[in-house]
Amino acid sequence: QSVLTQPPSASGTPGQRVTMSCSGTTSNIGGNTVMWYQQVPRTAPRLLIHSDNQRPSGIPDRFSGSRSGTSASLAIGGLESDDEAEYFCATWDDSLKAWVFGGGTKLTVV
Amino acid sequence: QVQLQESGPGLVQPSQTLTLTCSVSGVSVDDSLYYWSWIRQFPGKGLEWIGYIYDSGNTYYNPSFSRRVSMSKDTSKNQFSLKLASVTVADTAIYFCATGDSNWFDPWGQGTVVAVSS
Repeated sequence: QSVLTQPPSASGTPGQRVTMSCSGTTSNIGGNTVMWYQQVPRTAPRLLIHSDNQRPSGIPDRFSGSRSGTSASLAIGGLESDDEAEYFCATWDDSLKAWVFGGGTKLTVV
Repeated sequence: QVQLQESGPGLVQPSQTLTLTCSVSGVSVDDSLYYWSWIRQFPGKGLEWIGYIYDSGNTYYNPSFSRRVSMSKDTSKNQFSLKLASVTVADTAIYFCATGDSNWFDPWGQGTVVAVSS
């Protein structure tokens, strides 16, 4: 059971905009910034977003993040077939005193 | 370009100590800007942060691992290591090493599969 809650699946068609959520509590998302990772099967996770909405160098601006209250969201615009992957959110938890992750959302591009 | 590569035994017996090493290229493990982490991914895909080592050897471990975990650095080999004691079947996972500053993990190594079984 992951500390952060993500819907298990999401889907979209090429060119569409998709949004996925990450829900937490006041101990984690409510007081700390959120990261988002993309994991293609059989590869390591890749950082997409840090500090709620900051993209590392090389990440297209089709990816955007936001945080409000105890929830965070990742949006992917102009969906491409290569975006088909698992997406994880993560943040610091003040009660557990550890970095914690969501269970992941599997994005299917149909 | 920073790159990381994990190495270690693919199979460990229950109650034994798991030792993994992460070889780093592109930056020194002594660079005080970087935190060197271990993260594992269970067969059901869930991720768990184990801890990190930073600066001159300071460590911070996930409290859920109690006293089972220790990390160290070998600057002469530009590597850092994880030791996890008293392993059980529940420790079966893909183990990743990763770096970053204090607020993110990037990049990650490709991961190494560890199975705990007799």
